[in-house]
Amino acid sequence: AQSVAQPEDQVNVAEGNPLTVKCTYSVSGNPYLFWYVQYPNRGLQFLLKYITGDNLVKGSYGFEAEFNKSQTSFHLKKPSALVSDSALYFCLRSGNTGKLIFGQGTTLQVKP
Amino acid sequence: DTEVTQTPKHLVMGMTNKKSLKCEQHMGHRAMYWYKQKAKKPPELMFVYSYEKLSINESVPSRFSPECPNSSLLNLHLHALQPEDSALYLCASSRGGAETQYFGPGTRLLVL
Repeated sequence: AQSVAQPEDQVNVAEGNPLTVKCTYSVSGNPYLFWYVQYPNRGLQFLLKYITGDNLVKGSYGFEAEFNKSQTSFHLKKPSALVSDSALYFCLRSGNTGKLIFGQGTTLQVKP
Repeated sequence: DTEVTQTPKHLVMGMTNKKSLKCEQHMGHRAMYWYKQKAKKPPELMFVYSYEKLSINESVPSRFSPECPNSSLLNLHLHALQPEDSALYLCASSRGGAETQYFGPGTRLLVL
């Protein structure tokens, strides 16, 4: 079965430092992978996606993610974290039916 | 424009009330979705409409009744809800299949 895992419930980073939010996916079919961010009491905002092609995907707000087929990972990265990046981040994959398979979410806390 | 709008933003209702949530998109998307989200958890899919027809019902209780009057509008009719139905209700739309889903800001529902 298709699945997505985010191994960390929370990631703490100091402002200005690089950040990584981890995501791994199950090997089943061609993974269409996405990252979304959710600020408190708001909907999910699309950050970036991997369908095919270049393994390094650039997205909104300076975020990027690297698709690694051998490690079945799709980690979200940013070179320099901002306090305003503090939010809940979801990694997910899409199946052909349109259903999204969500990771459990990772809370990113960026401290000044 | 990737905006999905939802009204109302907040809703408080008693267990005997009837209310409706509304969602609207003008991106020409053919697929629209309802999700339910509890605090700090990933959204759970409830319903999917494709070309204005219900294509997926994730075994949602009949006290939730979706409606798609036209390709831009999606409603969720609520009747005889339970306190455990209190959650953030998110609407999303996409071009269908594995395409990116764009989420609205959600309706925060409290059932007393």
